[in-house]
Amino acid sequence: GENVEQHPSTLSVQEGDSAVIKCTYSDSASNYFPWYKQELGKRPQLIIDIRSNVGEKKDQRIAVTLNKTAKHFSLHITETQPEDSAVYFCAARGGSQGNLIFGKGTKLSVKP
Amino acid sequence: DGGITQSPKYLFRKEGQNVTLSCEQNLNHDAMYWYRQDPGQGLRLIYYSQIVNDFQKGDIAEGYSVSREKKESFPLTVTSAQKNPTAFYLCASTLSRGEKLFFGSGTQLSVL
Repeated sequence: GENVEQHPSTLSVQEGDSAVIKCTYSDSASNYFPWYKQELGKRPQLIIDIRSNVGEKKDQRIAVTLNKTAKHFSLHITETQPEDSAVYFCAARGGSQGNLIFGKGTKLSVKP
Repeated sequence: DGGITQSPKYLFRKEGQNVTLSCEQNLNHDAMYWYRQDPGQGLRLIYYSQIVNDFQKGDIAEGYSVSREKKESFPLTVTSAQKNPTAFYLCASTLSRGEKLFFGSGTQLSVL
């Protein structure tokens, strides 16, 4: 089945810097890759997603890139702000059932 | 914030006891999911249901049971067979299988 690896597990940046979180997946048939943000004590919320027929997608300060050949995708956050501090999860839809398989999460801390 | 509601927010289980977590959605979504979240472990799929009266095991179904008698409701029972039930449980729903999951606010289950 699908397996998703996410790195790093923790990331600390200064306000205004960029942050990059990387994920790799194992199932070459996976075709949908969302990113979720979970603030402390709250529910995960979808922030951006990308399909396998697209290489890059942007939404204001966040962007996701996908390399199907290498089976990895990344989240890029530019001009980070303290409110970007949260746990970020990547996921891939694949496997025989087509359910989302999540990475273990990255705790991002943005220091003012 | 409506859409998908989980209750209770906190739940305590005594040894040998079964407990039931509630999940209700008014989004008219066909698919519903239960995930377990442990620190540093990401989200792991317990059970999912694509339509009423049908559900499938996820990756960690042992010690859990579900029912889907109504489209709006997908309760999860943590049975006494689940020896390590302490975790944060998240319910989710979606219109499109495996995409754009909307999460509930979660239930923290602890063992007395």
